[in-house]
Amino acid sequence: GNSVTQMEGPVTLSEEAFLTINCTYTATGYPSLFWYVQYPGEGLQLLLKATKADDKGSNKGFEATYRKETTSFHLEKGSVQVSDSAVYFCALSVTGGGNKLTFGTGTQLKVEL
Amino acid sequence: DADVTQTPRNRITKTGKRIMLECSQTKGHDRMYWYRQDPGLGLQLIYYSFDVKDINKGEISDGYSVSRQAQAKFSLSLESAIPNQTALYFCATSLGAGSYNEQFFGPGTRLTVL
Repeated sequence: GNSVTQMEGPVTLSEEAFLTINCTYTATGYPSLFWYVQYPGEGLQLLLKATKADDKGSNKGFEATYRKETTSFHLEKGSVQVSDSAVYFCALSVTGGGNKLTFGTGTQLKVEL
Repeated sequence: DADVTQTPRNRITKTGKRIMLECSQTKGHDRMYWYRQDPGLGLQLIYYSFDVKDINKGEISDGYSVSRQAQAKFSLSLESAIPNQTALYFCATSLGAGSYNEQFFGPGTRLTVL
């Protein structure tokens, strides 16, 4: 079956620190990979995605590269801000799977001044 | 106005009660989904619908039922609520069948079953 494993939180960083949230996956077929973000009291929204090996998704200073050889899709940002405090979910969807998403458990990020 | 709306936003109910959560969308998407979110478990798929006549069970459908009244409306029912159904429930939509398609989420309904 399909599964996503991401690092447990909470992750607490100072403003302007470098962020990495690890995500690895197991999938049948060739998945598309996603990072969703959930701000307090809100629903999830797409942060970035990559649909094939070696693609890099990027948005709002966040980046993640689809690494087929290590089955990973780690999220990075060079300089976090307080406004980045949220819960981040790694997810995958496989071809022929009806566009169903399989989510990781989420990683809470807290950024302090 | 939000593209995906959910009502109610918060609900407290008692064990054994029937409850319905509603989802409406103005995005024109055919595909709609219901998820529940529990702390430490991420989101789990309850039901999904590819169109009005096509409804499918997800990973955790036991104790739940759904109704797709129209392209824009997808309701989730708990026929006899129990405390372990206390969770945050999200509705989502997507445009098409491709695995690359983004899903758009509503703001969630926080359900508490006493």
